[in-house]
Amino acid sequence: DSGVTQTPKHLITATGQRVTLRCSPRSGDLSVYWYQQSLDQGLQFLIQYYNGEERAKGNILERFSAQQFPDLHSELNLSSLELGDSALYFCASSISIGGTNEQFFGPGTRLTVL
Amino acid sequence: DAKTTQPPSMDCAEGRAANLPCNHSTISGNEYVYWYRQIHSQGPQYIIHGLKNNETNEMASLIITEDRKSSTLILPHATLRDTAVYYCIVRVLMDSSYKLIFGSGTRLLVRP
Repeated sequence: DSGVTQTPKHLITATGQRVTLRCSPRSGDLSVYWYQQSLDQGLQFLIQYYNGEERAKGNILERFSAQQFPDLHSELNLSSLELGDSALYFCASSISIGGTNEQFFGPGTRLTVL
Repeated sequence: DAKTTQPPSMDCAEGRAANLPCNHSTISGNEYVYWYRQIHSQGPQYIIHGLKNNETNEMASLIITEDRKSSTLILPHATLRDTAVYYCIVRVLMDSSYKLIFGSGTRLLVRP
C-alpha cells in the first residue's frame, strides 16, 4: 500500500459525458501527478500540481483539467469523453518537486467509455 | 520521449538472479536513473534510483556503468511475485520540475 488513494476504482460512462477522478496523496506529500495508461500509449504524464499550484503539463488534452485543493487532494476532470479516453488513470505523489524524492503511485481508476 | 531503451521481455527461473539491462546513452550528467515496476495493472512501484554509484536496497541492486550510458537492475533471488513490467526511467527536468517519462519497459516473467 503506497498511501495514495484514488476513487472510484472503476468508472463506466458514455461518450460525451464528464467525470471526475479523485486522488488523496500520502500524508505530508505536497506534489501530485496524474498519468494516463492506455493499451497503445503506455504510461503518459498528464499534469503536476505542487501545494495547490499547477507546475507542469504533459500530454494533457484541452478537454481534461485538474486542480489541487487546500487539503492537497486533487481531482482530474475529463469532459466530452471519447472512446479513446478509456484507460487507467493513476495519481502519484511526492514530498516535493525536486531532490530525489520518488513518486508513490495510487491503485488507479479504470475508466471505460462506451 | 523516453530516454531509455530496454528489451521488451525477459525471463528467469525462480530463485535465480534477474538482470535487467537498460541503455540511456543520452543521459546528462545530473540526471538520475530510476527503476519502477508494475504488476498487472496496479500502480507502478518504486524500486531504486541512482546517479553514478552503484546502489542497493532491500528490493534490488542498481549497477550503473562508469560512462553512465547504461545500467542494470539486479533482483538477486527472483520470486514468482517479481513477474511484472520493469521500467527504467531517466528523470528529466521540465518546466522547473522533475518528470518521470516512462518508456515501454521490460516484461519479466519468473518461471517456477
